[in-house]
Amino acid sequence: DSGVTQTPKHLITATGQRVTLRCSPRSGDLSVYWYQQSLDQGLQFLIHYYNGEERAKGNILERFSAQQFPDLHSELNLSSLELGDSALYFCASSPRLAGITDTQYFGPGTRLTVL
Amino acid sequence: QQQVKQSPQSLIVQKGGISIINCAYENTAFDYFPWYQQFPGKGPALLIAIRPDVSEKKEGRFTISFNKSAKQFSLHIMDSQPGDSATYFCAASDNYGQNFVFGPGTRLSVLP
Repeated sequence: DSGVTQTPKHLITATGQRVTLRCSPRSGDLSVYWYQQSLDQGLQFLIHYYNGEERAKGNILERFSAQQFPDLHSELNLSSLELGDSALYFCASSPRLAGITDTQYFGPGTRLTVL
Repeated sequence: QQQVKQSPQSLIVQKGGISIINCAYENTAFDYFPWYQQFPGKGPALLIAIRPDVSEKKEGRFTISFNKSAKQFSLHIMDSQPGDSATYFCAASDNYGQNFVFGPGTRLSVLP
């Protein structure tokens, strides 16, 4: 158990809808990262937040947004969903502002299915 | 330039054998090269990482070999065990860790 929690575990929705994925980092970790994993695209970095501020963006679509709250939990919002958004979405946390050079602890993921 | 190529896509090894996974990159700004291990139904976990100031790093049965001139690095798993069966991802990052990319993954199966 990495100490990172993600909810929900599974999510099934329809095209055009909006969903919110939630992540609680390990106690004391200030950085939260979001990743998308699909068969087509592999593992892709989406966005990094540190202590409430956005620090880096990867291959995140404009339809997607995220935020990190004062209690350090983070939410990833996916809107106008398309079939191709079906994927596993992972959240990871780390103690510092060091990106992938800091040991990141991954949560169990949220499996999103768009029908 | 942002890509990391990884091979093979899948690998089957007998118990006790050596598993070798190779990665290649093009961006010379990459300065940190981690390997992640992912079991089915779980998130990836950092396995071992290397910076280009050394050519090899060993942690237990896992070794990273790094060839800076060829822009290649590889993961060697010695005495492979069935418990090592997982998907392995290489990655490459700049020194600040904010610009990084993953390889497509290698699915390793170790037969008992």
